Amino acid sequence: DTEVTQTPKHLVMGMTNKKSLKCEQHMGHRAMYWYKQKAKKPPELMFVYSYEKLSINESVPSRFSPECPNSSLLNLHLHALQPEDSALYLCASSQGLVSNQPQHFGDGTRLSIL
Amino acid sequence: QQQVKQSPQSLIVQKGGISIINCAYENTAFDYFPWYQQFPGKGPALLIAIRPDVSEKKEGRFTISFNKSAKQFSLHIMDSQPGDSATYFCAAQYSGSARQLTFGSGTQLTVLP
Repeated sequence: DTEVTQTPKHLVMGMTNKKSLKCEQHMGHRAMYWYKQKAKKPPELMFVYSYEKLSINESVPSRFSPECPNSSLLNLHLHALQPEDSALYLCASSQGLVSNQPQHFGDGTRLSIL
Repeated sequence: QQQVKQSPQSLIVQKGGISIINCAYENTAFDYFPWYQQFPGKGPALLIAIRPDVSEKKEGRFTISFNKSAKQFSLHIMDSQPGDSATYFCAAQYSGSARQLTFGSGTQLTVLP
């Protein structure tokens, strides 16, 4: 079992739906990340939060909206997604942005857009 | 500058054999080199990591060899087992205002029984 918990594990939604992905960690980490992973490819960084503030947005379309309610939680709000957005969405956390420590990943949410 | 090149793309090894995956980087600012193991339907899991002031690190059957002057590092899996069959990603990261992982392209390892 990973220490980064993501829900739901699977999500199927239509292009007009609004849904949210959730991520939780209780390791006291102060940096949290969203990644998108396509089949047979490495994860691609989407967003970075540090101390609950958005630090990096990798030019992600506005139909993806991140939120960090507190130091343990990270959400990704989805709206009007496209079929090409179908992918595995991974959350990760690390101690902080300047500490030389690894990122720990959750098992992801498998998202399918109809 | 930000690329990490990984080879081979796929690797088939007999049970008990040695699996070797190689990575090369350009950016000398990288100061931490983790390897991740990913099984189908799961997220990447940290397997082993090394810092550039160390030339080798061993954890059980897994060893990282690091050549700072050549800007290369490799993962060796000794006595490979069918349960090791997974996708392996090398990565590099550096201290900075926003710490980001740069992943290699991945190696799909299959260990035959």
